[in-house]
Amino acid sequence: NAGVTQTPKFQVLKTGQSMTLQCAQDMNHEYMSWYRQDPGMGLRLIHYSVGAGITDQGEVPNGYNVSRSTTEDFPLRLLSAAPSQTSVYFCASSAKRTSSGNTIYFGEGSWLTVV
Amino acid sequence: AQSVTQLGSHVSVSEGALVLLRCNYSSSVPPYLFWYVQYPNQGLQLLLKYTTGATLVKGINGFEAEFKKSETSFHLTKPSAHMSDAAEYFCAVSDLTGGGNKLTFGTGTQLKVEL
Repeated sequence: NAGVTQTPKFQVLKTGQSMTLQCAQDMNHEYMSWYRQDPGMGLRLIHYSVGAGITDQGEVPNGYNVSRSTTEDFPLRLLSAAPSQTSVYFCASSAKRTSSGNTIYFGEGSWLTVV
Repeated sequence: AQSVTQLGSHVSVSEGALVLLRCNYSSSVPPYLFWYVQYPNQGLQLLLKYTTGATLVKGINGFEAEFKKSETSFHLTKPSAHMSDAAEYFCAVSDLTGGGNKLTFGTGTQLKVEL
């Protein structure tokens, strides 16, 4: 079982460069989301999607772009990287909510450094 | 809006001692609550979750948590700490509003286990 797969695991970018963090899940989950983790701040929601073709902003969306053309994939694009975007990024997915509260599955993380 | 407060960014215990990690939440609706553990340079692993029903929830690795509505708390405990428990622990609350399965995280508690 692959679960939630993120690539790349490590990346160094120069300020102003653009890049895409890839996220794919093989569990046919409707819900997918991106979080960033910074020391002392926990994880914060960047963008999320409730299904193919539907995305919305989370708590910290500025500087990031997402699209959801398929159920499986939810890439996160950094349009013009800034040092403030140095962080660890986690992709997550889950099935549609039920009364039992579906488990959210996380990828292994992508460590991004912007210099 | 929902929020989570984790008291104590660092907790240190002796091996064999009780582990108590505190989590208080704020939610205008019945919450779904989660505890995740993160080992160094790894992703998030679900320890346990509360959705409905029994307020004492048992998780993996001997951890458990009790949902106390009157205290808006969901503290994590383990009777006897092991060296392998050293990690960062995150409490989170699920946001059901607006669709999706979004988590609001606390800022994390780093657990150190000493001989």
